[in-house]
Amino acid sequence: DTEVTQTPKHLVMGMTNKKSLKCEQHMGHRAMYWYKQKAKKPPELMFVYSYEKLSINESVPSRFSPECPNSSLLNLHLHALQPEDSALYLCASSQDIPAGGFNEQYFGPGTRLTVT
Amino acid sequence: GEDVEQSLFLSVREGDSSVINCTYTDSSSTYLYWYKQEPGAGLQLLTYIFSNMDMKQDQRLTVLLNKKDKHLSLRIADTQTGDSAIYFCAETPSGGSQGNLIFGKGTKLSVKP
Repeated sequence: DTEVTQTPKHLVMGMTNKKSLKCEQHMGHRAMYWYKQKAKKPPELMFVYSYEKLSINESVPSRFSPECPNSSLLNLHLHALQPEDSALYLCASSQDIPAGGFNEQYFGPGTRLTVT
Repeated sequence: GEDVEQSLFLSVREGDSSVINCTYTDSSSTYLYWYKQEPGAGLQLLTYIFSNMDMKQDQRLTVLLNKKDKHLSLRIADTQTGDSAIYFCAETPSGGSQGNLIFGKGTKLSVKP
């Protein structure tokens, strides 16, 4: 099983809503990632978890709150988002975080988020 | 800086070869990657090259690396309509956050039948 699953596929939320994005992998990977991809742009890293601990936070606003409840699951909690946060949110996983070595990341299909 | 540059569009006829080019900035990146993104989907790793190699061939895919010019290319032989997608090159710069993939802007490949 080399699949990363994400739910929901699509999400529309108002600026006062609270919602969560979910990501799951069963490959035994110990590193998991959240990326944000705006239309016609490359993915940009938001967060990295390594062994269920937050390893990297790329200066993401606090209205995005990640959570890694166990080694297979990664959540992204959303609160008080702005319309400019509308994007495709991609989850990825890798065996671990290599120090300068090969880092094959497996991506999920993404959640397309629209903030109204 | 850590900008990875790619041309935005490429259009080819079915059966032709496609060449997608990328210029990266960190000469100490040990691995360089090519990812494919189909419409509405996540990214799929196509191939990669280790920095001490000049070329890597994998079925229809050929990756060329020119470290001196920091230039990476992906050649797709006998391009098919199913190859239509956005192709991203990516690097993991040595000075950056560990595990961070820096992606180019992506090249949209259109294959005409």
